[in-house]
Amino acid sequence: DVKVTQSSRYLVKRTGEKVFLECVQDMDHENMFWYRQDPGLGLRLIYFSYDVKMKEKGDIPEGYSVSREKKERFSLILESASTNQTSMYLCASISGDFSGNTIYFGEGSWLTVV
Amino acid sequence: GNSVTQMEGPVTLSEEAFLTINCTYTATGYPSLFWYVQYPGEGLQLLLKATKADDKGSNKGFEATYRKETTSFHLEKGSVQVSDSAVYFCAHSNSGGSNYKLTFGKGTLLTVNP
Repeated sequence: DVKVTQSSRYLVKRTGEKVFLECVQDMDHENMFWYRQDPGLGLRLIYFSYDVKMKEKGDIPEGYSVSREKKERFSLILESASTNQTSMYLCASISGDFSGNTIYFGEGSWLTVV
Repeated sequence: GNSVTQMEGPVTLSEEAFLTINCTYTATGYPSLFWYVQYPGEGLQLLLKATKADDKGSNKGFEATYRKETTSFHLEKGSVQVSDSAVYFCAHSNSGGSNYKLTFGKGTLLTVNP
């Protein structure tokens, strides 16, 4: 059974803290994504990675960075968390492009910054 | 630019009612179109997809037809069940000419009452 696992379901962090959100997939997918989901805004792409050590900015990269040292793991980093980064974060992965393949999502990480 | 506009919710229906959730898009090139569903507390799952004009995607009684002339991909189900209560997202690939990213609508919350 395919799996995208996000290590933390619920986190509470203080303003200014460095936050790591980890995502692991067991399907040998090249492409991995980080989205944030906010009510009334849907899903917005933060960063994606199409190979180890490769990354591209999405639509809202400000305040975030990412790391992909191994194919199966894609980390989202908040260098200095702020309250406006309180959100649900979704990791996803896919092999190849979207026309013939299915993207798989993790269950999400709820982050609250206080 | 690339965007997805879907019917705003929330939508509340009685069991066995007919469902339509409208979705229109703007995109460059020839996007693939998707409907995703998010059940409470879970990540997103692919519900159905269509990869070219006039294709019909279908799954679990839901259907959507890729209409290039009206740039639409409306989701329909003839008889909804309580278990269909979820948030539904319309999406397209091929943002900016790349088939490696998805653009999502804002989501529509559906509640089905017994």
